[in-house]
Amino acid sequence: KNEVEQSPQNLTAQEGEFITINCSYSVGISALHWLQQHPGGGIVSLFMLSSGKKKHGRLIATINIQEKHSSLHITASHPRDSAVYICAVKRGGSEKLVFGKGTKLTVNP
Amino acid sequence: DAGVIQSPRHEVTEMGQEVTLRCKPISGHDYLFWYRQTMMRGLELLIYFNNNVPIDDSGMPEDRFSAKMPNASFSTLKIQPSEPRDSAVYFCASSRTPGTGPGANVLTFGAGSRLTVL
Repeated sequence: KNEVEQSPQNLTAQEGEFITINCSYSVGISALHWLQQHPGGGIVSLFMLSSGKKKHGRLIATINIQEKHSSLHITASHPRDSAVYICAVKRGGSEKLVFGKGTKLTVNP
Repeated sequence: DAGVIQSPRHEVTEMGQEVTLRCKPISGHDYLFWYRQTMMRGLELLIYFNNNVPIDDSGMPEDRFSAKMPNASFSTLKIQPSEPRDSAVYFCASSRTPGTGPGANVLTFGAGSRLTVL
């Protein structure tokens, strides 16, 4: 079993829909990252969080440390949000990230 | 800042050849990471440096892979000899020590080097 599991693997939505991507992990962590990989291949860091919730524009990330679960929400989705979203966790005492397999999101106009 | 700069962007080589990938991190960043991405395994950490010193190289597949960071502004990942199974996209990323102010712990990725070994 992978240390980091994401669901769903693939997600197709219509423009304007509310999107939720989930990430569960099985180890104790010091931080969790959400990354976005564009169709061209570039990777952008969206959030790093260790507790609670963070918001940036239409993106919201939450984490529940007790339940070992994080969610990434996109409000009012747009075709430009189409990308692969990757969850990664960091254990205490190390800067090493362990990655989920990613969720491929397609938002249709 | 121009961000994390990687070269080459694309490399096609034949099995057995030496491959050298290069990375220039963001100025002021004291962590540098090398990752590999394949369809089968996704993203994996190969090695990371802190202040030019290798900290964790447990992800380096085998002795054919080596990485160096001779100074704060340059790192190389070398594969010798290369094999077809090394075909992947190799990403370099950098960040600043957590707790050192705004923007610390934000991981910035380079555009990647796509390696094809025939």
